[in-house]
Amino acid sequence: DIQMTQSPSTLSASIGDRVTITCRASQSISTWLAWYQQKPGKAPKLLIYAASYLQSGVPSRFSGSGSGTEFTLSISSLQADDFATYYCQQYDGDTAFGQGTTVDMK
Amino acid sequence: VQLVQSGAEVSKPGASVKVSCKASGYSFTGRYVHWVRRAPGQGLEWMGWINPDSGETKSARKFQGRITMTRATTTSTAYMELSGLRSGDTALYFCARAFGDSSGAYFDSWGQGTQVTVSS
Repeated sequence: DIQMTQSPSTLSASIGDRVTITCRASQSISTWLAWYQQKPGKAPKLLIYAASYLQSGVPSRFSGSGSGTEFTLSISSLQADDFATYYCQQYDGDTAFGQGTTVDMK
Repeated sequence: VQLVQSGAEVSKPGASVKVSCKASGYSFTGRYVHWVRRAPGQGLEWMGWINPDSGETKSARKFQGRITMTRATTTSTAYMELSGLRSGDTALYFCARAFGDSSGAYFDSWGQGTQVTVSS
């Protein structure tokens, strides 16, 4: 099974900061990677698919990059609505999620 | 597109729970439906999928033997039943519409979640 490892587990940031989250796969998954945002008690929201494609309706401050085993999600200028937990998901066959990265207020 | 799940459940250890997910706004048989859960203090955990067209299912190894996924095409509803419940199954359960197929998919629409609590 392909394992996904996110870092950091928690990230403290301020409004306007640039934020970067990393996701590593235990083996190459090409660009079969998605990113989600989840808030407490709510359903996850798709942000990025195929590693770098922005889902319709998602603000352009979100971006994704990477291929193979290393991927990043970036938020160019953190907004109040962005404090949440972020998950990567590989979908090269059976799917698996990373353990999540919580972005909280510094 | 909307996925509407059934309400919260409280079950005893060893019992079973069945969660429903009613789809609307798209062709139910045209997209796989996956099940994902989030336990308290844990991350998202993939449980399995069903192809609403054929009824074919696949589950994560961890849940094999305990999970049953079915569908009713006449009502555009998917179901997930988990048996042999234990305290570790207490979680918020989600259904999700897939973009993709049996070789891999991401999830572009989600249900609102169903809280399942296992308690004696």
